[in-house]
Amino acid sequence: AQSVTQLDSQVPVFEEAPVELRCNYSSSVSVYLFWYVQYPNQGLQLLLKYLSGSTLVKGINGFEAEFNKSQTSFHLRKPSVHISDTAEYFCAVSDGQGAQKLVFGQGTRLTINP
Amino acid sequence: ETGVTQTPRHLVMGMTNKKSLKCEQHLGHNAMYWYKQSAKKPLELMFVYSLEERVENNSVPSRFSPECPNSSHLFLHLHTLQPEDSALYLCASSQGAENTGELFFGEGSRLTVL
Repeated sequence: AQSVTQLDSQVPVFEEAPVELRCNYSSSVSVYLFWYVQYPNQGLQLLLKYLSGSTLVKGINGFEAEFNKSQTSFHLRKPSVHISDTAEYFCAVSDGQGAQKLVFGQGTRLTINP
Repeated sequence: ETGVTQTPRHLVMGMTNKKSLKCEQHLGHNAMYWYKQSAKKPLELMFVYSLEERVENNSVPSRFSPECPNSSHLFLHLHTLQPEDSALYLCASSQGAENTGELFFGEGSRLTVL
């Protein structure tokens, strides 16, 4: 069975500072990895995904993530954040057997301070 | 029209009421999902429908009753709920339940049970 651990429940940063949101997973098989974002009072939307190929994945709004198989990590990064990035971020893992097997982490609340 | 639309956005009900949540997707997808999002807990998958047949039911109490009349519509019928059922209920869709795990979410229905 897969599991996902988001190591930080809350991350406060100042505007224009870099940020890294950490995600570790466990799985006995090949995985697909996702980051979803949830803005206040909205549903989740896909930020980026790793299915195969290059381990550095670029997503929307300037975010990127790197798949590290040896460390079983998929950390999310942005070099310079904006107030509009304030949201909850969810890491998720799938074993490729379909969306109904998608396992979500508990989320990291990113707060951007001016 | 946005991709996945949920109504109502907010619902307050007593423990003896009967109400329904509605979800409609305009993406041509053939799989639809109900998730429950509670504070401080990971997203919980409740039900999955693929090609209008229920393919997953994650031990959800019988006071929650899903209905999928066609591939574009999904309902969650609620009756004799408990206060602990208060949460954000998210509908999602995908192209096939056996896909990589990419989901498209609605904005959610915030349910409060008094």
